[in-house]
Amino acid sequence: EDQVTQSPEALRLQEGESSSLNCSYTVSGLRGLFWYRQDPGKGPEFLFTLYSAGEEKEKERLKATLTKKESFLHITAPKPEDSATYLCAVRTSWFGTDKLIFGTGTRLQVFP
Amino acid sequence: DGGITQSPKYLFRKEGQNVTLSCEQNLNHDAMYWYRQDPGQGLRLIYYSQIVNDFQKGDIAEGYSVSREKKESFPLTVTSAQKNPTAFYLCASSIGSGSYEQYFGPGTRLTVT
Repeated sequence: EDQVTQSPEALRLQEGESSSLNCSYTVSGLRGLFWYRQDPGKGPEFLFTLYSAGEEKEKERLKATLTKKESFLHITAPKPEDSATYLCAVRTSWFGTDKLIFGTGTRLQVFP
Repeated sequence: DGGITQSPKYLFRKEGQNVTLSCEQNLNHDAMYWYRQDPGQGLRLIYYSQIVNDFQKGDIAEGYSVSREKKESFPLTVTSAQKNPTAFYLCASSIGSGSYEQYFGPGTRLTVT
């Protein structure tokens, strides 16, 4: 069964304390992995798309990497405004139809 | 500015009533989607549409209905047959239905009592 698992569920960091969020997946035929940021009560905001193992994408303090089994979202020197829930989603082919499977997210809190 | 709008932001209904959630996009995207988000669960797909006048059921379509009469609009009706309608509903769109990123609207929180 196709599955996407994010860890940890919650993460508390001091401002400036770098860390990584994990998204592991077991799917039949990866057709893209997506990272989103979601603030409370709002819709997810698109961050990155990764398509193949070894690919990396960066945006400000965020860097996303992809292997054959997992993706990491590295946060370097985080600031309080980076506090949000980070969602990972994997696109896979399902009976000839593309399907997007979401993880349950990692809730990040950054304290000054 | 291009984007996706959902209205209203908050919606309250009595049990047994149908309710329609609005979703409009001006991104010129062909594909549109409806998701439901519940605490502790990943987003779940309700319905999607790859083109005008065509739509398909997602994983949890029971108790919901949609229409796609215009490229810009994809309204979702939550019917009285939906057993647990209280949730946060998200509309999204993408350029096409392939491996393209989806962009989300701000969401509608529906509470049914």
